[in-house]
Amino acid sequence: QVQLVQSETEVKKPGASVKVSCKASGYTFISYFIHWVRQAPGQGFEWMGSINPNGGSTNYAQKFQGRVTMTRDTSTATVYMELSSLKSEDTAVYYCARGVASTQGRWFDPWGQGTLVIVSS
Amino acid sequence: DVQMTQSPSSLSASVGDRVAITCRASQSISTYLNWYQHKPGKAPKLLIYGASSLQSGVPSRFSGGGSGTDFTLTISSLQPEDFATYYCQQSYSFPRTFGQGTKVEIK
Repeated sequence: QVQLVQSETEVKKPGASVKVSCKASGYTFISYFIHWVRQAPGQGFEWMGSINPNGGSTNYAQKFQGRVTMTRDTSTATVYMELSSLKSEDTAVYYCARGVASTQGRWFDPWGQGTLVIVSS
Repeated sequence: DVQMTQSPSSLSASVGDRVAITCRASQSISTYLNWYQHKPGKAPKLLIYGASSLQSGVPSRFSGGGSGTDFTLTISSLQPEDFATYYCQQSYSFPRTFGQGTKVEIK
């Protein structure tokens, strides 16, 4: 079955960087974009950006431009999201999600299980 | 950015009730509207895509409708496993944006 499995919880100090992985299985890796979405405690979802595994092109939300880097490794079907200059406000659960596009629209399915990133001194 | 506004932000309902959640976009998004169900500690689950298409495996008590700026998610007969938070999301333009969520609680 189609599955996205993310890396484990990370605890970082302010100013540090974090790199979260998302390993895909059950489908042709290069055929679907991967998006990253985060949810801070008690908040809604915030889209961070996406990567096209076929070539590696990226599209970042303006809010994260200059601070986020998304990469992929086609040999292991894994996508990475690195966020730098961490602040306490970056404490959140980070999700990867496969982007599906068809004549009926565009949606995220499935989502990874989420990676909790805690930023604390 | 397209702003998505859901209402209500929370509701209390009983098993068997009919529940409707609305989502309004700040500009027309045609039918580029999706609905997700989210339970604590779990991955969000796609329910409805393209405003009204039921995702495979999702019970038929869930339905979606609308186009342009106004959309609705309806649960025809609420079941115990449906108590969760529901989010709408637009895929018309970047950045992708979500509603703030509607928490469905047990009455």
